[in-house]
Amino acid sequence: DAGVTQSPTHLIKTRGQQVTLRCSPKSGHDTVSWYQQALGQGPQFIFQYYEEEERQRGNFPDRFSGHQFPNYSSELNVNALLLGDSALYLCASSLAGSAETQYFGPGTRLLVL
Amino acid sequence: KNQVEQSPQSLIILEGKNCTLQCNYTVSPFSNLRWYKQDTGRGPVSLTIMTFSENTKSNGRYTATLDADTKQSSLHITASQLSDSASYICVVSDRGSTLGRLYFGRGTQLTVWP
Repeated sequence: DAGVTQSPTHLIKTRGQQVTLRCSPKSGHDTVSWYQQALGQGPQFIFQYYEEEERQRGNFPDRFSGHQFPNYSSELNVNALLLGDSALYLCASSLAGSAETQYFGPGTRLLVL
Repeated sequence: KNQVEQSPQSLIILEGKNCTLQCNYTVSPFSNLRWYKQDTGRGPVSLTIMTFSENTKSNGRYTATLDADTKQSSLHITASQLSDSASYICVVSDRGSTLGRLYFGRGTQLTVWP
C-alpha cells in the first residue's frame, strides 16, 4: 500500500514563472491538504480539497491555486513565483470526518532564483 | 486566535539521555493533538495522536501526555538515540469543520550527540 506520493522531489524555477506540484493520496483517503514549510519553520496551511472542491484556505494569495481530480489526487499551482515562495511543499491526505492522523508525503523542494 | 507554541526551540542532548518537549495550545474547539517527527527535508511522520479523553500515549521510546484543562502537552523521549535527531512538531486539530483543520507549532529541533 503506497503512502502519500509527491512529484517532483526537487524543482528550480525563476521569478515570474509558474509551477505545478502533484500529490497522490494514501489509498482510501479522499481529502488532500497542502502546506508550505519555509526553512526552520513549521508547515503553514495553504488549502484543503475534498470532493474536488477547495474546502478551506489559509492566508495565501490567489497566486496559489489547486485542483483535485476524481481519483482524489491533487495539484498545487503557483503563478508569478517570488523568491519567498522557495520552500518545502508538503501534501497530506486523510479521510474526511475521521480523527485518524493525516499522512504526509515526502514533499517537493522548490527553489526560486 | 488559534495558536500552538512549542518549547524549547532547540535542544542538544547526549545519546542515551532522556528529554521532554513542551507544547501549549489555544486551539478551540479541540479535536486531537498529534506529535510528528520530521527529518530534515522530509515529510513529517506521525508519532502519537491523542483525543480529549486521553492523557497519555506511548509509541516505543516516545511517550506523549495531554492535559486538556491546561491545554498543554509534552513529548518524552527515553534513552535517546542518534536517529532521534530531528524536528518534533506539535499539531492540534480543531472541530471547526467536519474536515478538521490542523494548527502547527514551529517545532523543537532536537540534536543527539554521541
